[in-house]
This record gives sequence, structure tokens and C-alpha cells, in this order.
Amino acid sequence: QVQLVQSGAEVKKPGASVKVSCKASGYTFTRYYMHWVRQAPGQGLEWMGIINPSGGSTSYAQKLQGRVTMTRDTSTSTVYMELSSLRCEDTAVYYCARERSAYEFDPWGQGTLVTVSS
Amino acid sequence: QSALTQPASVSGSPGQSITISCTGTSSDVGSYNLVSWYQQHPGKAPKLMIYEDNKRPSGVSNRFSGSKSGNTASLTISGLQAEDEADYYCCSYAGSSTYVFGTGTKVTVL
Repeated sequence: QVQLVQSGAEVKKPGASVKVSCKASGYTFTRYYMHWVRQAPGQGLEWMGIINPSGGSTSYAQKLQGRVTMTRDTSTSTVYMELSSLRCEDTAVYYCARERSAYEFDPWGQGTLVTVSS
Repeated sequence: QSALTQPASVSGSPGQSITISCTGTSSDVGSYNLVSWYQQHPGKAPKLMIYEDNKRPSGVSNRFSGSKSGNTASLTISGLQAEDEADYYCCSYAGSSTYVFGTGTKVTVL
């Protein structure tokens, strides 16, 4: 079955960077776009960006432009999301989610908690 | 890109029907037939419930239905059950490979 497994929780200091991984299985990795979505504690979902695993092209939310980088490794069917210049307000659960067929997200990874604290 | 507007909370008794609205603009909800809805239980990842405004993935109960009029999409849950108590989020394609989520609605089963 289609499965997305993310890396474990991270604790970072303000100004540092974090890189979260999302390993896909159960389907042809290069055929489906992958998205990243985050959720701050007690808050709603925020779309961060999308990567095409086939060619590596990306599109990011304007708010995160310049701080977020999404990459992929086709040899391991893994996508990565790196966020730099971390701030306390970047504390959130970060999810990867596959774009299934028509601009919808299914399934989702289990989420990775990133805590930014001095 | 501003978040789509949803009511903060909606409640209903078991067996009743409730509707959650999701208001966007002519640049997102009103421009594309690409609104999706997600259910999220506490501590869990979101789950796809509706896509392309009104289509239901296999495995999702037919008690869930979606519709849209102009810049406002809606999710209706009929025959409300205790297990439906969760947070619900709408999401719309917004053009140029960008997406926007709604503010989220907490559904309470009384």
C-alpha cells in the first residue's frame, strides 16, 4: 500500500536549519508530486510547497521563499524539506503528502515535530 | 495568499446534518473545481474526505458530501456520528502551483 514515512522529531535553536525526510513506498515515486504542509501547535494547516519528484522542479509558498528548499533522491524514493534561519514560530508538525490525482493530498506522512527553542 | 475562511466551530446531535462553509475568492475557490476537504483527529495526520469540490474517495462514508457555489465551498456531514468529531479543513488550488488551506472548523457531536 502507499506509505509515506517521515524522519523523527528535531529540536533546533533559532537561526539553525532543519532537514526533514519523507520516504515513499508502494507506488512509482516519480509519477506523483509531493507537498509539504505544516501545523503549528493548536493552529491550522499551512501549505509550504510542492516538488515534482521526476524533474525536481519546485514551487514554494511566498511566505517561505528564500528559507525553504525541497529536494528529492529518486534512488531512495525520498523527498526532503529543509528550512533555514529557523524562528520560534517555525515550531510545528511538518507533514509530507502525495498529490494523488487532481490537486488533492493523499496519503499523508505521520508528521515530524520540529521544535525551535533557545 | 490569505487562508480560506471557515467557521471556528460547528456542532450537532447524533443523526443530524451539519454543513461547514469555506469562503475564498475568485482567485482560488471561485476559479477552479479543485476544493478538497480533510478530517483530522487529535494527534493524527489529516485524511482526505472530498476532492474536486464534490467527489468522494473510495472508503469514505457517503454521509460526507461536498458542494460549491461561487467563491464558497461546503462540506455536509449527514447522520452525524460520534466518530465524526474532529477538525475539518478545506483546501483550494490557487493557481501557479500554489494552494491555500482554510482556517479549520472544529466539529463537536453533542
